[in-house]
Amino acid sequence: KAGVTQTPRYLIKTRGQQVTLSCSPISGHRSVSWYQQTPGQGLQFLFEYFSETQRNKGNFPGRFSGRQFSNSRSEMNVSTLELGDSALYLCASSRSGQGGQPQHFGDGTRLSIL
Amino acid sequence: ILNVEQSPQSLHVQEGDSTNFTCSFPSSNFYALHWYRWETAKSPEALFVMTLNGDEKKKGRISATLNTKEGYSYLYIKGSQPEDSATYLCAVNSGGYQKVTFGTGTKLQVIP
Repeated sequence: KAGVTQTPRYLIKTRGQQVTLSCSPISGHRSVSWYQQTPGQGLQFLFEYFSETQRNKGNFPGRFSGRQFSNSRSEMNVSTLELGDSALYLCASSRSGQGGQPQHFGDGTRLSIL
Repeated sequence: ILNVEQSPQSLHVQEGDSTNFTCSFPSSNFYALHWYRWETAKSPEALFVMTLNGDEKKKGRISATLNTKEGYSYLYIKGSQPEDSATYLCAVNSGGYQKVTFGTGTKLQVIP
């Protein structure tokens, strides 16, 4: 069974640009969550999608957005990139997104802003 | 905002030693607690999910307990091995869905 796949693995952008990250969940998983990790910080919750609907959102500015497609694949978009957006972005999937289910993480996309 | 705290921040133990870490969280609105292991250059791997007060889970040499009334969980590793070296993350759900708050982790290094 294939795991959670995130693309690209690495990305370099400059301030002001925008970026789109992709996440393919485990087959059969309908919940996809996104997290940001910066040095010294724990994983910060960005948002969670289930059946193409954003069900939960963390405390991030509107420059961070996402969507989920009918096949459960999800994309995350960050517009007007800032230096502070440099981070590891992780995606995680679970079958139904119920809080008692473990999440399965991808390897992440490391985004560097110059 | 839910505050999840883990201690210690980092830990060095000798191979064969047993060790434990703590995760503290607000006891109100608790739904579930997760433990993950995150090895360098890999993705976080789920260890345990616990929901009930008094829950105990075990996986090989690793076990965890949960006290929802006082808001803490312990993770124990018996007879640490070098392959146990990783960051151990605790995450708490305060609602029914996957909106979790992670602690900053405990980084364990097991010295051969």
